[in-house]
Amino acid sequence: EDQVTQSPEALRLQEGESSSLNCSYTVSGLRGLFWYRQDPGKGPEFLFTLYSAGEEKEKERLKATLTKKESFLHITAPKPEDSATYLCAVQARGGADGLTFGKGTHLIIQP
Amino acid sequence: SQTIHQWPATLVQPVGSPLSLECTVEGTSNPNLYWYRQAAGRGLQLLFYSVGIGQISSEVPQNLSASRPQDRQFILSSKKLLLSDSGFYLCAWSVTGLANYGYTFGSGTRLTVV
Repeated sequence: EDQVTQSPEALRLQEGESSSLNCSYTVSGLRGLFWYRQDPGKGPEFLFTLYSAGEEKEKERLKATLTKKESFLHITAPKPEDSATYLCAVQARGGADGLTFGKGTHLIIQP
Repeated sequence: SQTIHQWPATLVQPVGSPLSLECTVEGTSNPNLYWYRQAAGRGLQLLFYSVGIGQISSEVPQNLSASRPQDRQFILSSKKLLLSDSGFYLCAWSVTGLANYGYTFGSGTRLTVV
């Protein structure tokens, strides 16, 4: 069974204080690893897809990296508007054509 | 551009009542369509997915069903709601070969069963 574990569950940072969110996964053949941002009461917003170990992608203050067992979402010099829940999900080869999600990391950036 | 519409935004229904949630996609053809549920303290759970009209796959045995009467329409239904059906229901779409764009989610329906 595919599993995704995100840590920490919650993280409170000061504005400008960089940090990383972790996503550990077990999957029977990885087709892709996805990162989403979700604001309260809204649907998840797509951020990145990573396909193979060693791959990195960046968008503004966010950078996602991937190894064979985990992915990190690095947040550099965050701003209050980066506050949200960040979700990690995996898609397995040969399995149901859907994503398996972690429970998310609730990130709060204090001004 | 592609857009996804989901309604209603919020719904309060009594136990034992029926349910119908609708999702439509614009700007793409033959999308893969999905229904997810997000319950408090839990991750998004895949309920159903569809790769074409009339083709429905269920991931979790439950009190719900799904139908796809048209290419860009996906409906989630229940004949009799249970308290445990409460949650945030999300519709999503993807197109095979466009994984770089991820799965696009709708704005969700907050269902409270009372």
